[in-house]
Amino acid sequence: VHLQESGPGLVKPSGTLTLTCAVSGDSVTSSNWWTWVRQSPGRGLEWIGEIFHRGTISNNPTTNYNPSLKSRVTISIDKSENQFALKMNSVTAADTAIYYCVRDSGRAENWFEFWGQGILVTVSS
Amino acid sequence: DIQMTQSPSAMSASVGDTVTITCRASRDIDDYVAWFQQKPGKVPKRLIYASSNLQSGVPSRFSGSRSGTEFTLTISNLQPEDFATYYCLQHNDYPYTFGQGTKLEIK
Repeated sequence: VHLQESGPGLVKPSGTLTLTCAVSGDSVTSSNWWTWVRQSPGRGLEWIGEIFHRGTISNNPTTNYNPSLKSRVTISIDKSENQFALKMNSVTAADTAIYYCVRDSGRAENWFEFWGQGILVTVSS
Repeated sequence: DIQMTQSPSAMSASVGDTVTITCRASRDIDDYVAWFQQKPGKVPKRLIYASSNLQSGVPSRFSGSRSGTEFTLTISNLQPEDFATYYCLQHNDYPYTFGQGTKLEIK
């Protein structure tokens, strides 16, 4: 399993951060949760949110977000490209961090087992 | 949110020593804890899951345990490659939360 983040490394304050995670060796429609985590010196490791490719009743993806970021974050999934994305709006310098995409699971043996290499995003004018 | 209070924040030890790192959860989270090792400039690597289960390929000198809401990572017979920063993660309830990290340095 390999995850690879991509996106701009520099975002202006009040702008929108958009990152993509390309998945290989697994399908985003498998029984796993696709997750974003960030790391900064000030905040340490912070779980941003996750997406599962479908709901229990509908075919629409299921998402869970960190309440501290929920108003600014959207995680989406692209089944045709086998990737998922993070969108964070109204960014400030406090959002400067390394952003990781991670494969998570409801099965303990697969919790946070696979991580992307991370991408540094700097918020600055 | 469930708080994971990790201690110590930093420590020094010698090769061959045994060290323990602790995370205390702010409420009962059963065995829903994982431990990670991170070296400078590298991605966190999972060592332990479900409190005490060793990740495949991780040396047996790493072990995890739980007593109530207190979780412990023990590293026996420290090796030079073990000097790194360690984090706990609670996977019991949203939002998932990490400890603040323990930096293990060579004495």
